[in-house]
Amino acid sequence: EAAVTQSPRSKVAVTGGKVTLSCHQTNNHDYMYWYRQDTGHGLRLIHYSYVADSTEKGDIPDGYKASRPSQENFSLILELASLSQTAVYFCASTPGLGGEQYFGPGTRLTVL
Amino acid sequence: GEQVEQLPSILRVQEGSSASINCTYENSASNYFPWYKQEPGENPKLIIDIRSNMERKQTQGLIVLLDKKAKRFSLHITDTQPGDSAMYFCAAYNTNTGKLTFGDGTVLTVKP
Repeated sequence: EAAVTQSPRSKVAVTGGKVTLSCHQTNNHDYMYWYRQDTGHGLRLIHYSYVADSTEKGDIPDGYKASRPSQENFSLILELASLSQTAVYFCASTPGLGGEQYFGPGTRLTVL
Repeated sequence: GEQVEQLPSILRVQEGSSASINCTYENSASNYFPWYKQEPGENPKLIIDIRSNMERKQTQGLIVLLDKKAKRFSLHITDTQPGDSAMYFCAAYNTNTGKLTFGDGTVLTVKP
C-alpha cells in the first residue's frame, strides 16, 4: 500500500511568519499534489508536480509556493502566513495521471 | 477547468436502507471519477471509482453509475450500516488539465 507521510501533523503559526509543510512518499510515484481542506468542505488543489525539480500551479496557488527537490519529497511553503490559510493540508501521490491518489494523514495548520 | 457539484450536502438514512449521492461535472474531457470516504480526523480513502468507458461498477455494497451524456455520476450505498457514517467526496479527473477536482462533500449519517 502507498505510504505518504506528512510533517508536522499540526502547527500553530503567527500571521506574517513563514511555514513549511513537508511530504514524503516511498512508492516511487512521479506525481505529487498539495490540497487544502477547509472545515466541512472538499479539497482544493494548491500545487502539484510531475517530476523532481518542477512544480505546477493548481487552482488556488496564491500565497503558496512549492518545492520538489526529489521524487520522494514535496514541500509547501507559506512565505507570509495569513489567517485565511488556516486549514488542513493534505499531500497526495499517484503513480500515473488519472489514477488513484494516495493521501497523507494531513497537517492541521492554525494561523493566529 | 472543471467544476464538480455534489448533492446532497447532508444525508441521514436509517440503518439497512440505501443512500444515494449525486455529482455533476462540466468538462467532457473528464474521464475518471473516484469516490472517497473520509472519517473525522482522517485522510480521504478511495472506496470505488469508474472510468468513462463504463456505465456501472459495483463492489461490496457500493454501486457507481456514470451518465456521460448528462455529465452525471452517482454513488449508491446499499444496506447502510452505522460504519458507513462519514464524509463522502466525488471527484472528476480532467485529461486536458491533469487535475482532479473534488465536490464539496456529503455528510452521511446512518441511524441505528
